[in-house]
Order: sequence, then structure tokens, then C-alpha cells
Amino acid sequence: DTAVSQTPKYLVTQMGNDKSIKCEQNLGHDTMYWYKQDSKKFLKIMFSYNNKELIINETVPNRFSPKSPDKAHLNLHINSLELGDSAVYFCASSLFPGPNQPQHFGDGTRLSIL
Amino acid sequence: QQPVQSPQAVILREGEDAVINCSSSKALYSVHWYRQKHGEAPVFLMILLKGGEQKGHEKISASFNEKKQQSSLYLTASQLSYSGTYFCGTEIYGNQFYFGTGTSLTVIP
Repeated sequence: DTAVSQTPKYLVTQMGNDKSIKCEQNLGHDTMYWYKQDSKKFLKIMFSYNNKELIINETVPNRFSPKSPDKAHLNLHINSLELGDSAVYFCASSLFPGPNQPQHFGDGTRLSIL
Repeated sequence: QQPVQSPQAVILREGEDAVINCSSSKALYSVHWYRQKHGEAPVFLMILLKGGEQKGHEKISASFNEKKQQSSLYLTASQLSYSGTYFCGTEIYGNQFYFGTGTSLTVIP
């Protein structure tokens, strides 16, 4: 069974469109994250939710809106896609927030904007 | 805020050793180490929490210096399977988590 699963794995779309990426974890974790990895492989945290509540909201354009319907799911909706949004988006989870919690990553969603 | 890793890239022959460093200008609550193979997700290796701590994971070990501003990852007798990009991850304030700049490690036969 996949621990952290993201869909879709690949997303190719045109500038200006709106798209969503879904993430689900079956580890029983309370905390979930969204990361963006750019072409230079820099991994940058975007958001973190703990038990459905937003706890980290980095400087991200407000075109990006996370939603956590329950603690096992964290979805990412992106409005008005731009060329610079092309990247790999990773979802991750940890048992709790905090410095001693390892993070488990999904396989990533490769977003390409035409 | 992003910790800086060095070297940026390293190429090893099987059996050789490598050291990857992760440095921050501020004291850290913790240091995580992850490995990401090409086209895959980052995979957790280990966490260090205390200044002066050392921890091992098979032939991969890490240390956290006393001032908690630097960590090093040690790979001994490298294997082909060690190839990938290694990231440190650090927590500075509360839940603010940052990954390092990454080190690409290639092991060749």
C-alpha cells in the first residue's frame, strides 16, 4: 500500500488554466505538507497543515490555495497557471509537526505549463 | 534562511568515502537528512537533535556540531545505490522547515 499518494503524476496544461493536485496519506499522520521543487532541484516548503489547520504558509502567490478536508488529505488548487509554476510538487506527511518528526514524501506531481 | 550544503556535486568510485556538509548562520532545532534518487521522492535517512550528536545508518552516518549550526553526512565505502541528491533539512523557528541547497552524489563503477 502506498503511504503518501498524489494524483495526477503528470500534469501538462496551458497558461491561465486552473488545476488541482490531490494528496492522501494512509499513515495516520496528523501533519501534511506541500513542497515545490524547481528545475535546480531546490525544495521549498509552501504550506503545512496539522489536523486540518494551516500552520505554515510561506510566501506563495495567493493563486495557490491548499485545502484539507480531513487530516488524511491535503489538496492543492492553483488558479491562473503561469510559466513559472512549472515544477515538481511534492506532498509529504509526518506524525506530528516539530523538529524530531521524519517526513514521508509522495512520488510528486510533475507540472508543465505550455 | 536556507542552509547551504557543500560540495554542490561529487563523483566517487565505488568503495570511496564522501562527506557532505550542511551549514546555517543560525542555531538549528534539528537536522534531517534525505536522499532523492533521480525522478523519485526524497527518502528520510536520519534526524539529529542534540549538539554533539552522532548517528549511524548502515554505512551512512551523520554528526551535529556542538553549536548546532553545522551537520555533516558521512558515506563510507560507497555503493552504486548511494547515487542521488542529498538534502539536509533544518528547523529554525517553530515549524519553519527549510531544505538545504542539495548535493548531487554520483557513484561510478
